[in-house]
Amino acid sequence: DTGVSQDPRHKITKRGQNVTFRCDPISEHNRLYWYRQTLGQGPEFLTYFQNEAQLEKSRLLSDRFSAERPKGSFSTLEIQRTEQGDSAMYLCASSPGTGAEAFFGQGTRLTVV
Amino acid sequence: AQSVSQHNHHVILSEAASLELGCNYSYGGTVNLFWYVQYPGQHLQLLLKYFSGDPLVKGIKGFEAEFIKSKFSFNLRKPSVQWSDTAEYFCAVIGGGTYKYIFGTGTRLKVLA
Repeated sequence: DTGVSQDPRHKITKRGQNVTFRCDPISEHNRLYWYRQTLGQGPEFLTYFQNEAQLEKSRLLSDRFSAERPKGSFSTLEIQRTEQGDSAMYLCASSPGTGAEAFFGQGTRLTVV
Repeated sequence: AQSVSQHNHHVILSEAASLELGCNYSYGGTVNLFWYVQYPGQHLQLLLKYFSGDPLVKGIKGFEAEFIKSKFSFNLRKPSVQWSDTAEYFCAVIGGGTYKYIFGTGTRLKVLA
């Protein structure tokens, strides 16, 4: 499968723990996005990379969230000191260029207990 | 702020009924428009997209959408729905000076056999 791959698919963690998610985009897609989706809502933008540069970060994202895309390939999203409100589906998407459609992965479902 | 509105949150139809889902956006300038579908347990998939040209665009599985610039709308239609169309549908926009996709809250469609 050459689509967007996310790992893990599910994560259960205790409040206060740190978690890290990985996303492997479609190869040669230079744009990579992270979104968060909760029940009954559409995907909410978190951050965006063009190659290895993080060009935009949502103001809704607290300092506990950080994302990287070293070498412009895969990306990681880390959440420090998780809170129950962080429970959601975290989606990764990649795109080949400006305005083109985004291709989404299956998502990582985070549950904070 | 840029936003996307989907007016119908839940829609229930019988098979063979016609479908129209509303989508309005608030953006200035040139935009690209998308409809995504999320079948139960699956990732977001592109149904159709509008970049330019003919405002009536056709997508997969018999879906179509019409871009009406004067109304800032991009409504999704299907003449005759099938049970397999049961899913959640999201309208998304990119453009207007931003590189992020803005999604609506989604419409959950249930088609009764």
